[in-house]
Amino acid sequence: GAGVSQSPSNKVTEKGKDVELRCDPISGHTALYWYRQSLGQGLEFLIYFQGNSAPDKSGLPSDRFSAERTGGSVSTLTIQRTQQEDSAVYLCASSRQRSRSSYNSPLHFGNGTRLTVT
Amino acid sequence: AQRVTQPEKLLSVFKGAPVELKCNYSYSGSPELFWYVQYSRQRLQLLLRHISRESIKGFTADLNKGETSFHLKKPFAQEEDSAMYYCALQAAGNKLTFGGGTRVLVKP
Repeated sequence: GAGVSQSPSNKVTEKGKDVELRCDPISGHTALYWYRQSLGQGLEFLIYFQGNSAPDKSGLPSDRFSAERTGGSVSTLTIQRTQQEDSAVYLCASSRQRSRSSYNSPLHFGNGTRLTVT
Repeated sequence: AQRVTQPEKLLSVFKGAPVELKCNYSYSGSPELFWYVQYSRQRLQLLLRHISRESIKGFTADLNKGETSFHLKKPFAQEEDSAMYYCALQAAGNKLTFGGGTRVLVKP
């Protein structure tokens, strides 16, 4: 079936503008993750959704970053007043929900959105 | 807190040579450990997980709880193994925490 889809694939924006990044997870996957991939920084966790709620948003770098998920499906990551240091590839991943008695399901990643702030 | 450390940012080996990517973790409970790989121009994907105890593309990884390590090994590296490799840890129902990644370059 279809994998995780992210849009846009590339986004160039001017410093100070707001941007919205979209993620369509695999159908039936209730867990959704956002990561940021920067040169020399590896994969930085941003936020994790289980259904529509976010039990862990500890990775959001500042209050300029926010994310929501509606209908247990599509998620949007919003960055307000973008700064040059926000330039990175933003990755979304989804996985099946797990119970505490079973092992974690592996994450399925999208191709990412490459954000460039000029 | 969960932490994953990959001490090598770059590993360069010749084709046919063994390759070992180091991964150490810190977590007080019983985590699950994974290796993810990203080939050039492809999306990040699962390579293997410790619970499967299987060899994927010739790679194996053994969880050593005493040393809190999950090193990835392959006895004979191939050029197509050139990629970015990430070790990752996940506690029950929690986020997946990645290490900083190791770039592997296999030279002909």
